[in-house]
Amino acid sequence: AQSVTQPDIHITVSEGASLELRCNYSYGATPYLFWYVQSPGQGLQLLLKYFSGDTLVQGIKGFEAEFKRSQSSFNLRKPSVHWSDAAEYFCAVGGGATNKLIFGTGTLLAVQP
Amino acid sequence: DAGVIQSPRHEVTEMGQEVTLRCKPISGHNSLFWYRQTMMRGLELLIYFNNNVPIDDSGMPEDRFSAKMPNASFSTLKIQPSEPRDSAVYFCASSSPPFANEAFFGQGTRLTVV
Repeated sequence: AQSVTQPDIHITVSEGASLELRCNYSYGATPYLFWYVQSPGQGLQLLLKYFSGDTLVQGIKGFEAEFKRSQSSFNLRKPSVHWSDAAEYFCAVGGGATNKLIFGTGTLLAVQP
Repeated sequence: DAGVIQSPRHEVTEMGQEVTLRCKPISGHNSLFWYRQTMMRGLELLIYFNNNVPIDDSGMPEDRFSAKMPNASFSTLKIQPSEPRDSAVYFCASSSPPFANEAFFGQGTRLTVV
């Protein structure tokens, strides 16, 4: 069955520090992978996506993610976090004959001054 | 494009009342999704449509929930009768091929059933 695991429910980092949010997936075929961000009271905004090709993908707002097939992971990274990055981050998997997009439970990021 | 438009943004209703949530997808998108977000269960896919046809409604919690897509530019999610446990944020999203999984989300409808 398709599933996404985000093991960290809540993470706090200091402004300017680096960030890595973990995502592991279970999928029977080559997955399409996504990271979305949700600010309070808002919908989800796409940060980046992986469909094929280069396993290191760049997204908006200075985020990047690396697809590692051997580890079934798609971790999100940012070298220097800004206070405005405080939000909830969702990893998602989809692909194949279905358009279904399955989300992880999210990681809530807090940024300390 | 204005993006995915949902209405209303907020809805407060009494238990037992009928609730209808509305969604206008991005023009040209042929897939539409309804999600429910709660603290306990996170983001759940309720139902999705391709070319106005329901493809998978396995996430619809029970018969009180129904969804329609009468045309390519409009969809509704109806709850009748509503219950307090239906309180959640309901999101509509749309996408188009070839990247059919890249969903664009609306702002959501926050439903409170008292």
